[in-house]
Amino acid sequence: EAGVTQSPTHLIKTRGQQATLRCSPISGHTSVYWYQQALGLGLQFLLWYDEGEERNRGNFPPRFSGRQFPNYSSELNVNALELEDSALYLCASSFGGKSTDTQYFGPGTRLTVL
Amino acid sequence: AQKVTQAQTEISVVEKEDVTLDCVYETRDTTYYLFWYKQPPSGELVFLIRRNSFDEQNEISGRYSWNFQKSTSSFNFTITASQVVDSAVYFCALTKEYGNKLVFGAGTILRVKS
Repeated sequence: EAGVTQSPTHLIKTRGQQATLRCSPISGHTSVYWYQQALGLGLQFLLWYDEGEERNRGNFPPRFSGRQFPNYSSELNVNALELEDSALYLCASSFGGKSTDTQYFGPGTRLTVL
Repeated sequence: AQKVTQAQTEISVVEKEDVTLDCVYETRDTTYYLFWYKQPPSGELVFLIRRNSFDEQNEISGRYSWNFQKSTSSFNFTITASQVVDSAVYFCALTKEYGNKLVFGAGTILRVKS
């Protein structure tokens, strides 16, 4: 069974540009989560989507947004990129939308903002 | 607010030594879930275990064991007879009953030398 997949693996942008990151969940999973792992800040929760709806959001500015498609894949968009947005962005999926449902992670997208 | 503390930033051991990774958590919720994840150099977070707040049974899986103690708010992870392949960053995480937001500790870097 395929795991969570993310694309691209690496992304290089300049300050002020927009970045789009993509995630495909494990087959049968309906929930998708996004986390940011920045140097010195650790792993921080960004967003949770379930059945196409945003269910929870972390302490990030509105320029971090996303969506979930009918096939449960997801996009994370980061507008007006800042240098401090450079990080590993990890996507996870779970079978359902309960906290008891384990989140399984993908390999991440390394975003570098120059 | 929820908080997870992994006081050990980095641990180095020689192969075949036993090693314990500490995790202390804070939460006001009576129902919560604790997790351990492993992050090898490839970057992907690998799920190791989930424990519910109402289940204090310790668990053993091969060389891995977990000691959950509500009285001290700790969820420690022990690797018996460590191997070089165990070298990774290990994260302890906590989520409450609703919201599905994983709160991670800062991680412990484990280096196992041959």
